[in-house]
Amino acid sequence: QVQLVQSGSELKNPGASVKVSCKTSGYIFSIYGLHWVRQAPGQGLEWMGWINTNTGKPTYAQDFTGRFVFSMDASVSTAYLQVSSLKTDDTAVYYCANSGGQWGQGTLVTVSS
Amino acid sequence: DAVLTQIPLSSAVTLGRPASISCRSSQSLVHSDGNTYLSWLHQRPGQPPRLLIYKVSNRFSGVPDRFSGSGAGTEFTLKISRVEAEDVGVYYCLQVTQSWTFGQGTKVEI
Repeated sequence: QVQLVQSGSELKNPGASVKVSCKTSGYIFSIYGLHWVRQAPGQGLEWMGWINTNTGKPTYAQDFTGRFVFSMDASVSTAYLQVSSLKTDDTAVYYCANSGGQWGQGTLVTVSS
Repeated sequence: DAVLTQIPLSSAVTLGRPASISCRSSQSLVHSDGNTYLSWLHQRPGQPPRLLIYKVSNRFSGVPDRFSGSGAGTEFTLKISRVEAEDVGVYYCLQVTQSWTFGQGTKVEI
């Protein structure tokens, strides 16, 4: 069955970086685009952008340019989200989701000194 | 990009009774290919969102038939024919016609 399995929770200091992984299985990786969604505590869902798993080209939503990088390794069917220069406002659950409707379980990133 | 507005933002429902949520878009969600890419998601507390409905009215795999979607253009509705206890949580509409945009979410409580 289709699965998207994300890496575990992270606790980071402000200014640090974090890399979240999203390992897919149960389908051909390049069939579906891979999207990233952020959910701050108690808030709604916010689309961050996506990576074209055929070409590797990332597309970023307006509020997620500069410090956010989407990448992938097709050989292991995995996509990555890297956030640099972390701020306390980046504390959130980060989800990956494919364009076929499947979601990862989420990765909690806590930014605190 | 389209802005999605959900009504209501919260709803107290009765077990066994119907419920509905509306989603209004600031612009038409009809894609150039003729399809309308409006989806509905359900998120239980502490869980990831789960796709219920895609392309306005198509139930995703494993979704009970008490859930149905309808609408066209800029106005869409999610209906639950008979609410069950497991239906509590937050419902989001999502348009994927042009990038992705989520509605604000509707919290459903018993």
